[in-house]
Amino acid sequence: NAGVTQTPKFQVLKTGQSMTLQCAQDMNHNSMYWYRQDPGMGLRLIYYSASEGTTDKGEVPNGYNVSRLNKREFSLRLESAAPSQTSVYFCASSEVRAGFLITSPEAFFGQGTRLTVV
Amino acid sequence: AQSVTQLGSHVSVSEGALVLLRCNYSSSVPPYLFWYVQYPNQGLQLLLKYTSAATLVKGINGFEAEFKKSETSFHLTKPSAHMSDAAEYFCAVRPSGGSYIPTFGRGTSLIVHP
Repeated sequence: NAGVTQTPKFQVLKTGQSMTLQCAQDMNHNSMYWYRQDPGMGLRLIYYSASEGTTDKGEVPNGYNVSRLNKREFSLRLESAAPSQTSVYFCASSEVRAGFLITSPEAFFGQGTRLTVV
Repeated sequence: AQSVTQLGSHVSVSEGALVLLRCNYSSSVPPYLFWYVQYPNQGLQLLLKYTSAATLVKGINGFEAEFKKSETSFHLTKPSAHMSDAAEYFCAVRPSGGSYIPTFGRGTSLIVHP
């Protein structure tokens, strides 16, 4: 039972470098999310995808891009990393069905990626 | 729009004492409500959820929470704290209609003293 899988688990980047964080879920969820976690700030939404082929900005999208490659995969790209992007990044997915009550509306999380930009 | 407020960034209790972590929410439609736990260097794990059935919800590890619509609250309790309960706890809200995006509180760090 893999759930949500994120890679890599750890990464150190130099300022200006680029990288892509990968996320895949095997629960057939429509919706996927990228959050960043910083001390005292909780989880802040970077981008989300309601369904395959759609993406939207969240609370803190600047400096990031995303791709919903297919229903399973949702990647996060840092084009030119900055020290302010040092954080722990979490991918999550959830079930969404308009017009229906859902028995499992919770978000399922990956184990996170610890990113340090120096 | 929805929001979550967790009162107290840190809560300290003695082992065996009552645990009470506070969460208040705002939502324009009936909400789904959640508590998650995060142990060091791990992801978020669901503790319990409210989905409009029973207002008193029981979760894993002896935790429970009560949905109080009049107070817009969803406080988390446990009668007797264990050392293993030391972790970060997050309250989250997601509307049952319209926007489906979960919004999280800033978290409460539970410290358990021997």
